[in-house]
Amino acid sequence: SQQGEEDPQALSIQEGENATMNCSYKTSINNLQWYRQNSGRGLVHLILIRSNEREKHSGRLRVTLDTSKKSSSLLITASRAADTASYFCATNFGNEKLTFGTGTRLTIIP
Amino acid sequence: NAGVMQNPRHLVRRRGQEARLRCSPMKGHSHVYWYRQLPEEGLKFMVYLQKENIIDESGMPKERFSAEFPKEGPSILRIQQVVRGDSAAYFCASSRSGTNYGYTFGSGTRLTVV
Repeated sequence: SQQGEEDPQALSIQEGENATMNCSYKTSINNLQWYRQNSGRGLVHLILIRSNEREKHSGRLRVTLDTSKKSSSLLITASRAADTASYFCATNFGNEKLTFGTGTRLTIIP
Repeated sequence: NAGVMQNPRHLVRRRGQEARLRCSPMKGHSHVYWYRQLPEEGLKFMVYLQKENIIDESGMPKERFSAEFPKEGPSILRIQQVVRGDSAAYFCASSRSGTNYGYTFGSGTRLTVV
């Protein structure tokens, strides 16, 4: 399966701490994307990193990509209660469609 | 800019009935994707369409499921003779030009088969 896998499946941290989620995939990619899903809602695109990029920032988000290890990480700094959600990585293998991982459920404890 | 509009938000069908799910992509987006999500699971790709063309339907069940994206109007995901196992959230997404720009998702249609 080309599907990415997030690790951990669930993560609970105190508000203000940093949260790190990892994603591994199996084949070469064009780009990797991270999405957030609040309970009962659609997914929201957070950040896209291309295969020739190693790191990307957007506000409190930092994404890294290691194509040699076929892995990516999403770091959320100074977490807030509103960051509570499921986070998914998605990969594009050059055939237009995105393949999503199983997600990490992040809970921020106030 | 209204984003991706899906309707209905909730749909209840009895076993054997037909379900029709609609998706209007974001303005300027010509690529539409349908995904299915079961509770506590990730999204499973179903079909990728452009106007009047099915580009990739590798995730569609061979029977009872069909999708279209006509020249005018929304994209439709149609499920005939629904069964309990079809109960899920169905999400539509659109993008400008393939996946180099990321997807914009709708809020989904939650189908319940009773």
